Amino acid sequence: EDQVTQSPEALRLQEGESSSLNCSYTVSGLRGLFWYRQDPGKGPEFLFTLYSAGEEKEKERLKATLTKKESFLHITAPKPEDSATYLCAVQAPRNDYKLSFGAGTTVTVRA
Amino acid sequence: NAGVTQTPKFQVLKTGQSMTLQCAQDMNHNSMYWYRQDPGMGLRLIYYSASEGTTDKGEVPNGYNVSRLNKREFSLRLESAAPSQTSVYFCASSGQGAREQYFGPGTRLTVT
Repeated sequence: EDQVTQSPEALRLQEGESSSLNCSYTVSGLRGLFWYRQDPGKGPEFLFTLYSAGEEKEKERLKATLTKKESFLHITAPKPEDSATYLCAVQAPRNDYKLSFGAGTTVTVRA
Repeated sequence: NAGVTQTPKFQVLKTGQSMTLQCAQDMNHNSMYWYRQDPGMGLRLIYYSASEGTTDKGEVPNGYNVSRLNKREFSLRLESAAPSQTSVYFCASSGQGAREQYFGPGTRLTVT
């Protein structure tokens, strides 16, 4: 069964203090790994898709990287508006329509 | 473009009552999904519809039914609500497979 584990559960940062979130996965034949951002009381918002080890994607202060067993979401010089829960998901190898989500990392950035 | 809309936003049911959660998307997407989100757990797929006219079970389908009414609309029905179905329900849609999914704002359901 596909498993996705995110760590830490919560992360408190000072504005400007860079850090990384981890997403470990066990899936046979990764077809896609996804990062989403979720603000309180709202639905998740798509950020990135990574398909193969070594791939990197960037968006503003966020950079996602992928290895054969885990993905990292690096937040560089975060601002309070980066506060959110970040979700990681992997696509099932035998079904185009199923994603397995991790429980998320809640990031709080203090001014 | 409204994206993905869901109604209602909040609902309180008594055990045994039934209700239907409505979802609509205006992005001309082929695929639609229903998830539930519980504290400390990831989003879990209840049902999905790969394309108009098809529906399939996800990870946690028991106690739910779905209808893909047309390409835009996908509804989720609880026939006899149970306290274990207290959760936040999200509808999502995507153009091709499960890849970039667009989520609605959610329905917060409490079953007493």
